[in-house]
Order: sequence, then structure tokens, then C-alpha cells
Amino acid sequence: DTEVTQTPKHLVMGMTNKKSLKCEQHMGHRAMYWYKQKAKKPPELMFVYSYEKLSINESVPSRFSPECPNSSLLNLHLHALQPEDSALYLCASSQDGGGGYQPQHFGDGTRLSIL
Amino acid sequence: AQKVTQAQTEISVVEKEDVTLDCVYETRDTTYYLFWYKQPPSGELVFLIRRNSFDEQNEISGRYSWNFQKSTSSFNFTITASQVVDSAVYFCALSEPYGGATNKLIFGTGTLLAVQP
Repeated sequence: DTEVTQTPKHLVMGMTNKKSLKCEQHMGHRAMYWYKQKAKKPPELMFVYSYEKLSINESVPSRFSPECPNSSLLNLHLHALQPEDSALYLCASSQDGGGGYQPQHFGDGTRLSIL
Repeated sequence: AQKVTQAQTEISVVEKEDVTLDCVYETRDTTYYLFWYKQPPSGELVFLIRRNSFDEQNEISGRYSWNFQKSTSSFNFTITASQVVDSAVYFCALSEPYGGATNKLIFGTGTLLAVQP
């Protein structure tokens, strides 16, 4: 079983809906990540939180809003999404120490479909 | 700019065959880290191995082995005696440090490995 837990596993929503994706880890990691992955493509980084502060935003549209309430939790709030936002959304975490040494550990992902 | 190339889009083998997945990277950094991840159909990316630029020793873990060659900027992955459970997409990635507790992974495009029974 993965040590990074994502809920829900699947989500279908309309373009006017508001929903949230949740991610939780209890490994004591201090960096958490959101990725978007389209079919047959590698994951694309969206956001990075380091010590509960947003450190990287890869020019993601404002209809995606991340939140890190504490060091174990990461949310992604969704509003007014477009059909092209349908994808697998992956959460990951890594230990502190930086320098690119620490591997990222991924959750199972949320499969999002926008109607 | 940093870049990772996995030239093999799809590979199909029969069970018990050996298979090598290629990875070529580009970076100007003298210190860097390379990773391999496995993504089965369930979706989760599973961390397989990390290699730093100072350590060119090959590594073996069971049926898995990795060949890191700085001279050719390659970090290839071999599965010996493949099994159906090895069927997955395999990603090679290069880490770009941002400092603090973060790093950014530059992924290759992935290689889909299909192991037929």
C-alpha cells in the first residue's frame, strides 16, 4: 500500500462545480507536490509546497487552487474546470534535505473527468 | 536546459526474456540525481532507484539492474527474466534542485513495457 493517500480515487464533475482533491502523508515529509498526468504522457508538475509554504507554481490556471493546511495534508480546490482538465492528478511527498536528493513518493492518484 | 530522453516508446517481450530500457539525459549541473519510477495500470508511480552523479557503480536489486555511464549520459535499466507483473510504464527522471525541501523532477516520456505470458 502506498504511504501517500489520495481521495477520492475517481471524480466526475461538471464545469460549474466546485470540488476538492485531498492528499495525506504520515512519513514526516516536509515537501508535497501536485502533478497532472494526461494519458500516455509523463506527469507535469503543478505546485510544490515546502514547509507548508507554496514554493513552486508552474503557471497553473487559477481554477486550480492549492492549499496546505499542515505538514501532512495537501488539498487541490477545483472550480470552473474545462474538459481538457480531465486527467489523473497525482500527489507526492519528499523528505526535507533538499538538493534534489530525496525521492518523491506518489499516491495512487485521482482520476478526474470533466463533463 | 535539462532534458531526459527515453527513445523507446513501447517494448513488448515474452515472459522470461531480458529487457533493457534506455534513458539518456542532458544537464549542465555537476551534481545531479537520476531516478527510475514504475507506473502500473493502477496509476501510482513507484520509486525504484536513485543514483547520484558521483556514484557510477552499477546496482542490482533482484531481477533489476541499472547501468549508469556519465561518459554517455545514460542511465539504463535492465529487467532480467521478465514477468507479467513487470508490465507497466517506466519513467526515467532527472532531479532539478530548488533548494530547501523541494526538488523538481524532469521526466522522460516513458517506456511502456508489455510482458506477454
